[in-house]
Amino acid sequence: DAKTTQPPSMDCAEGRAANLPCNHSTISGNEYVYWYRQIHSQGPQYIIHGLKNNETNEMASLIITEDRKSSTLILPHATLRDTAVYYCIVSPLTGANSKLTFGKGITLSVRP
Amino acid sequence: EPEVTQTPSHQVTQMGQEVILRCVPISNHLYFYWYRQILGQKVEFLVSFYNNEISEKSEIFDDQFSVERPDGSNFTLKIRSTKLEDSAMYFCASRGDTFNYGYTFGSGTRLTVV
Repeated sequence: DAKTTQPPSMDCAEGRAANLPCNHSTISGNEYVYWYRQIHSQGPQYIIHGLKNNETNEMASLIITEDRKSSTLILPHATLRDTAVYYCIVSPLTGANSKLTFGKGITLSVRP
Repeated sequence: EPEVTQTPSHQVTQMGQEVILRCVPISNHLYFYWYRQILGQKVEFLVSFYNNEISEKSEIFDDQFSVERPDGSNFTLKIRSTKLEDSAMYFCASRGDTFNYGYTFGSGTRLTVV
């Protein structure tokens, strides 16, 4: 089962920042926080990952609390194409038995 | 950016028939996965594969399923005798030994069993 909890849905206005929360209170010391998204029925798309430091790339920023029990994905300027299901997943970085376990995710709707 | 390629994109098969779903992972990746997603449901892990053997499989991955990496480039999922409930999107994924882009997923094969 997924070790993360996300609200089922949220929306935001186009051009505004979208802040997607995630709780992972039982995260282990060797587990990273990954964010993926799925647009319609396409394959899940990698967004960002982190261990304990905040991370930023061309798509998004990831803010992880100091106790690592929750995180927030930030899409700084949401567009209509960012409408998707966003998955927050915790998993070890390496190892033959590492895998991604998907929950229900959060459906982000970006409105014009 | 490297891609995981899956073929066919859509396959329709009759119940009881065998199907083989094909995937070409990213060339320097070492770990390979199959997931499925029944319409309207979440993405479910089926099996992981490393060093030419199954690392882990889920309860869904019963004796009707098998995986193979026959030639060092392709990674296949075989369903021996399809059932109606096997209708789903099947996603292949791969990852390398170091974390570059994480797990990379293919665009999926939509399997419809009639």
